[in-house]
Amino acid sequence: DAKTTQPTSMDCAEGRAANLPCNHSTISGNEYVYWYRQIHSQGPQYIIHGLKNNETNEMASLIITEDRKSSTLILPHATLRDTAVYYCIVRLAYGQNFVFGPGTRLSVLP
Amino acid sequence: GAVVSQHPSWVICKSGTSVKIECRSLDFQATTMFWYRQFPKQSLMLMATSNEGSKATYEQGVEKDKFLINHASLTLSTLTVTSAHPEDSSFYICSARSGAPFGNQPQHFGDGTRLSIL
Repeated sequence: DAKTTQPTSMDCAEGRAANLPCNHSTISGNEYVYWYRQIHSQGPQYIIHGLKNNETNEMASLIITEDRKSSTLILPHATLRDTAVYYCIVRLAYGQNFVFGPGTRLSVLP
Repeated sequence: GAVVSQHPSWVICKSGTSVKIECRSLDFQATTMFWYRQFPKQSLMLMATSNEGSKATYEQGVEKDKFLINHASLTLSTLTVTSAHPEDSSFYICSARSGAPFGNQPQHFGDGTRLSIL
């Protein structure tokens, strides 16, 4: 079973920030949080990952709470091309594998 | 950087045929490669993990004799679906990562292969 819970779906207006939450209350101290997205009929695209500090790259920002039990992926200016299923993943401790949950279906609306 | 190429992107074949899917890391050395399967409206399910030069580790319920995985080099892994049947029709996706097996490098995914068995 996935170690994360995410809303099933979200809408966001084009040009606005999209904030996607993820709960990972059972995360261990050495487990990273990864975010991917999957556009229909394509493979997942890596977005960002982090351990405990907030991270930012050209695609998004990752905000991890101090207790690390939840995180938020922020797309600062959502476009129609950001419509996708977003997966928040905590990699199994001492393992190599990702367990994909159902993710959040983000719809960016014009 | 971190590009993974998967080929073919789409294949249709008759029942009983064996199908080979290739996964290549184009600009990095993939010490570990993964194969996933995704059915319509479902999430990705891991099938197997392979480290270069080692035998693949299959997830519970995945038949190793049916889904043959070879990871002979640091840039290439292949998945062969042997004697494919209609129930094997699915979207197969590979991923690759560099670095130590238990490091925090992300996986990078190919664009998938849609397999349809008639």
